Amino acid sequence: DGGITQSPKYLFRKEGQNVTLSCEQNLNHDAMYWYRQDPGQGLRLIYYSQIVNDFQKGDIAEGYSVSREKKESFPLTVTSAQKNPTAFYLCASSIWDSQETQYFGPGTRLLVL
Amino acid sequence: QKEVEQNSGPLSVPEGAIASLNCTYSDRVSQSFFWYRQYSGKSPELIMSIYSNGDKEDGRFTAQLNKASQYVSLLIRDSQPSDSATYLCADGSSNTGKLIFGQGTTLQVKP
Repeated sequence: DGGITQSPKYLFRKEGQNVTLSCEQNLNHDAMYWYRQDPGQGLRLIYYSQIVNDFQKGDIAEGYSVSREKKESFPLTVTSAQKNPTAFYLCASSIWDSQETQYFGPGTRLLVL
Repeated sequence: QKEVEQNSGPLSVPEGAIASLNCTYSDRVSQSFFWYRQYSGKSPELIMSIYSNGDKEDGRFTAQLNKASQYVSLLIRDSQPSDSATYLCADGSSNTGKLIFGQGTTLQVKP
């Protein structure tokens, strides 16, 4: 089955801790994206990557970091600098073109202990 | 700052009625628009994409685009309780590959 997987489904972070969210796709898409969704809100772009070894900041990149070492993988690290990390995190992928649809993974819900 | 605006709702319609969801966007040169459906606690799934002025129909769903008025809408005919969800409008921001999302409209279809 082709698709996007995210893990874990739920993640708990302690104060001062960095945590990493996994995103993997087997759709052979060039572009990958990370979004954050807060309750009752739309999606806000954190980071995106058009090709391997290259990525760009989105609208709310502060307190987050990413890497893109493989086409299939785009992990997101929520650092201790992100003071309000509780949210639903969504990974998406697409063919790189403004006309192309983005497909979403199932999401990771991050909670602070 | 490019923006997409949606009425957060909730929009409540009786089963079998037509639900009309609306969206306005700020970028005059935007070329592509997407409607996603999101059930509570789940990730968004694509319903429709539309690139040209006019209507595009797919089953019970019709997307409408008016570039002169910078307005996109989604009509759901014969609404069903299973259509109850949040509907997100997205602007395929021109020449960047990024999507700009509205805050979503919550639809409630009452049996």
